[in-house]
Amino acid sequence: EAGVTQFPSHSVIEKGQTVTLRCDPISGHDNLYWYRRVMGKEIKFLLHFVKESKQDESGMPNNRFLAERTGGTYSTLKVQPAELEDSGVYFCASSQVGSFTDTQYFGPGTRLTVL
Amino acid sequence: AQSVTQLGSHVSVSEGALVLLRCNYSSSVPPYLFWYVQYPNQGLQLLLKYTSAATLVKGINGFEAEFKKSETSFHLTKPSAHMSDAAEYFCAVMAAGSARQLTFGSGTQLTVLP
Repeated sequence: EAGVTQFPSHSVIEKGQTVTLRCDPISGHDNLYWYRRVMGKEIKFLLHFVKESKQDESGMPNNRFLAERTGGTYSTLKVQPAELEDSGVYFCASSQVGSFTDTQYFGPGTRLTVL
Repeated sequence: AQSVTQLGSHVSVSEGALVLLRCNYSSSVPPYLFWYVQYPNQGLQLLLKYTSAATLVKGINGFEAEFKKSETSFHLTKPSAHMSDAAEYFCAVMAAGSARQLTFGSGTQLTVLP
């Protein structure tokens, strides 16, 4: 069974440009999460999808970030325009809908560098 | 609000020595607690989780953790470190409620010395 995959693994862009990160969850997982780790800080929650619906987006830092999950499969996270403070590692995780403590399976992350 | 504190951003142990990684949490309600590990160039992998059953939780690769409510702690231990245990370890908490997000500690980088 394939795990959570993320693309690209690395992205280097200039301030003001747009970047789109993609996450493919484990097949059959309706829950999809985005997290971010800024250098030297803890991993922080961004948002949670259940199928195609945003269940919780309380962690999104501002309106430059747009997350979508069309058709309830893969998800994209777009940053437009990117700022220096957006640099970090963006993780995606997925889990099955079921018991409350369903394990969240994480992808390898996308390392974003904004110059 | 809930938070997680991991004492020691870097911990070094000799191969064969005891591994002890500390985690303290604060939560207004009894939480669910997790330890994840991240090996280089890989995603986070679940080591173990506490979900209000047994307070001593056994995980993969010989790791275990004990939930101590009175101390609000969930420390991770392994009796004998192996070189392959070198990685970054994260403690996380999930509140018992409708929110399913994980709140992470800042991570502890474990180095195993030969």
